Amino acid sequence: GAGVSQTPSNKVTEKGKYVELRCDPISGHTALYWYRQSLGQGPEFLIYFQGTGAADDSGLPNDRFFAVRPEGSVSTLKIQRTERGDSAVYLCASSVTSGATYEQYFGPGTRLTVT
Amino acid sequence: AQSVAQPEDQVNVAEGNPLTVKCTYSVSGNPYLFWYVQYPNRGLQFLLKYITGDNLVKGSYGFEAEFNKSQTSFHLKKPSALVSDSALYFCAVRDMATGANNLFFGTGTRLTVIP
Repeated sequence: GAGVSQTPSNKVTEKGKYVELRCDPISGHTALYWYRQSLGQGPEFLIYFQGTGAADDSGLPNDRFFAVRPEGSVSTLKIQRTERGDSAVYLCASSVTSGATYEQYFGPGTRLTVT
Repeated sequence: AQSVAQPEDQVNVAEGNPLTVKCTYSVSGNPYLFWYVQYPNRGLQFLLKYITGDNLVKGSYGFEAEFNKSQTSFHLKKPSALVSDSALYFCAVRDMATGANNLFFGTGTRLTVIP
């Protein structure tokens, strides 16, 4: 079956611009996660949705970052006034539900470059 | 606070030899432990997990891992390495004491299998 998809695969933007990154989870998965992976590092948690609501946004670095999941499926990560330090690969993952035993399935990521 | 350590940035092994990729963790409560593999330009792929029960867990592609509570380790192993196993491997933990659903990742170990 189809896995987690993310668009675009690559995004280059200028400092100060606004960007949106999209994630389409596996069909039927109610839990959705956003992570950020910088070069040479493991993924770092940003935000977690259970259904339509953000159940945990403790990983968002500041108020320039925001994410939505209005219908409980597709999610969009939004970054305002981008900075060069935002350059990273943004990964989306989904799982069947929020239960701790369930593994997360990751998409291929969006590579964001802020110039 | 939770943490994961992957002490080796790089592991080289000859094809056909056994391989070990090391992981140690620190959590407040009981850990749920995961291994993921990342191929170039692809998302993280789930390999295996330890939740409870038998300390030796078997996963995809012939990999296995052993949970050792006294040493707080969860090393990944494979009896006979293949060149196609060359990739970046991440250990991750979920701390059940915090109630958080996100994974906390190590910094990764690059495995190179030499023909």
